[in-house]
Amino acid sequence: SQTIHQWPATLVQPVGSPLSLECTVEGTSNPNLYWYRQAAGRGLQLLFYSVGIGQISSEVPQNLSASRPQDRQFILSSKKLLLSDSGFYLCACHSITGELFFGEGSRLTVL
Amino acid sequence: GNSVTQMEGPVTLSEEAFLTINCTYTATGYPSLFWYVQYPGEGLQLLLKATKADDKGSNKGFEATYRKETTSFHLEKGSVQVSDSAVYFCALSGGAGGTSYGKLTFGQGTILTVHP
Repeated sequence: SQTIHQWPATLVQPVGSPLSLECTVEGTSNPNLYWYRQAAGRGLQLLFYSVGIGQISSEVPQNLSASRPQDRQFILSSKKLLLSDSGFYLCACHSITGELFFGEGSRLTVL
Repeated sequence: GNSVTQMEGPVTLSEEAFLTINCTYTATGYPSLFWYVQYPGEGLQLLLKATKADDKGSNKGFEATYRKETTSFHLEKGSVQVSDSAVYFCALSGGAGGTSYGKLTFGQGTILTVHP
């Protein structure tokens, strides 16, 4: 079965500092991968998705970027964090039965 | 574009009460519909799904029926437990235009608290 590992689980960063959140997937190959953000009190927003190595699609303009250096690795980055980047970041891929399967999430607080 | 509207929360119930969380959607074509649950401090887990009109998804005592005529997918449970306390998200994917299956559109979430 598929497993998604996200780290770090919790992160507190000052405004203007860089960010790197990592996601790795086990138990599948050639997955479509997704980064979602859940801001406080709000629903989930799709940020990026990737259908393969080096292929990134951005859904909304923002201060973040994504990269996929390996088949089962998906990285979310920022060069300079903003207060508005605070939130709960979820990595996801398709399960073997077709629905979306989520990792445990990374909680980012920007101060 | 696609959109999902969920019942505003939070919802507070006593144990064994009946639960309904309303969800309506806007989409062209024939989307698939989902309910996800998020327990405190955790990621999202799929609760149930329905892929075509009149399908009923069910899991752990929860049910939802895909109603195309009312564009709704309301979540129900006959008798809630304290352990059901969580945030519930309605979501859709697909529809017309060949949208990627994993590009879900989520509602804003409904917080459910069940007291003993």
